[in-house]
Amino acid sequence: QKEVEQDPGPLSVPEGAIVSLNCTYSNSAFQYFMWYRQYSRKGPELLMYTYSSGNKEDGRFTAQVDKSSKYISLFIRDSQPSDSATYLCAMSISSNTGKLIFGQGTTLQVKP
Amino acid sequence: DTEVTQTPKHLVMGMTNKKSLKCEQHMGHRAMYWYKQKAKKPPELMFVYSYEKLSINESVPSRFSPECPNSSLLNLHLHALQPEDSALYLCASSHSHGELQFFGPGTRLTVL
Repeated sequence: QKEVEQDPGPLSVPEGAIVSLNCTYSNSAFQYFMWYRQYSRKGPELLMYTYSSGNKEDGRFTAQVDKSSKYISLFIRDSQPSDSATYLCAMSISSNTGKLIFGQGTTLQVKP
Repeated sequence: DTEVTQTPKHLVMGMTNKKSLKCEQHMGHRAMYWYKQKAKKPPELMFVYSYEKLSINESVPSRFSPECPNSSLLNLHLHALQPEDSALYLCASSHSHGELQFFGPGTRLTVL
């Protein structure tokens, strides 16, 4: 079993839809939970992060962490074609060496 | 300046060539990382430098040789690479190891 599981998709939605992206994990020591957005042939961009648990909102994006279920989510409201990208969840133990454990990435396509 | 820069953007090299990839950040970060990313896969950690000292080598072949000349610069020296080493090479930095990582745009390497 991988430490972090993420459905690779692809996920195709119409413009304006609410998108839900999810990851599950097995290591209860994870403390940092991150979402990176990666456009084709570009580097990953840190989109959202939470430390420990709870929700965080930034514009159309909401990140949620449920440590009891070992489950994290990224919600995108009013999705736009410009949101079409691969979304990678990543986790780390802050006291550790800094190694990020990535999910496989979910490819999202938002159709106009 | 909140950017990690990488040069060159693209590199094509033969198996007998020697080349170097460069990474620079001016955010005062003290941890820097090299990742390798193959198509449709998440980034794989190669090396971690913390306070200019190599702290993690993820069993990377010796044909990849990292160097950290100072706290802002990170190099990856390449020699006698194989075609399967063709990938996107990403540099990242963080305030210290275990903190949030910010990625550069990557160098797309093709080995002929």
